[in-house]
Amino acid sequence: GNSVTQMEGPVTLSEEAFLTINCTYTATGYPSLFWYVQYPGEGLQLLLKATKADDKGSNKGFEATYRKETTSFHLEKGSVQVSDSAVYFCALTDSGGYQKVTFGTGTKLQVIP
Amino acid sequence: DAGITQSPRHKVTETGTPVTLRCHQTENHRYMYWYRQDPGHGLRLIHYSYGVKDTDKGEVSDGYSVSRSKTEDFLLTLESATSSQTSVYFCAISPGTDYYEQYFGPGTRLTVT
Repeated sequence: GNSVTQMEGPVTLSEEAFLTINCTYTATGYPSLFWYVQYPGEGLQLLLKATKADDKGSNKGFEATYRKETTSFHLEKGSVQVSDSAVYFCALTDSGGYQKVTFGTGTKLQVIP
Repeated sequence: DAGITQSPRHKVTETGTPVTLRCHQTENHRYMYWYRQDPGHGLRLIHYSYGVKDTDKGEVSDGYSVSRSKTEDFLLTLESATSSQTSVYFCAISPGTDYYEQYFGPGTRLTVT
């Protein structure tokens, strides 16, 4: 079956530091890959996506590249802000039916001033 | 933001009582989902719907039932609540396009005492 593995958190960074959150996946077929973000007390929001190999998704300064050869989709940001403090979820949907999404367990990011 | 509401937002109930959570959307999306979120588990799919009266089980469906009599409403029922069902419940919707992006409601925090 499909699975998503994320690095353990929490991750604590100082403001303006470089961020990497690792994500690897196992899937049949040709999955689409996503990063979702969850701010405290809220539901998940789509942050970025990539739908085929070598695609780069980007949004709000965050980027992730779909690496089929390493089955990875690592999230990066060059300079984090306190407002980026949240939980980040890597996820995939497979090419088969009903759009079921497989989520990783989430990585909590805390950015300190 | 996608028009998704969940009610109630918070509920405390006693073991053995029935509980119904409601998800309402104004987007006319075909697909609707119920997840639960627990520490260390990320999001786990309970049930999903791919149309009016069309539903199926997810990975943690035991003790839960769902109904969808209208496109806009998806109900989750705990027939006899147990303490293990204490969790935060999220509803999500998807249009069936855009590579299966999902849009999440604000969540319902359920405590079973």
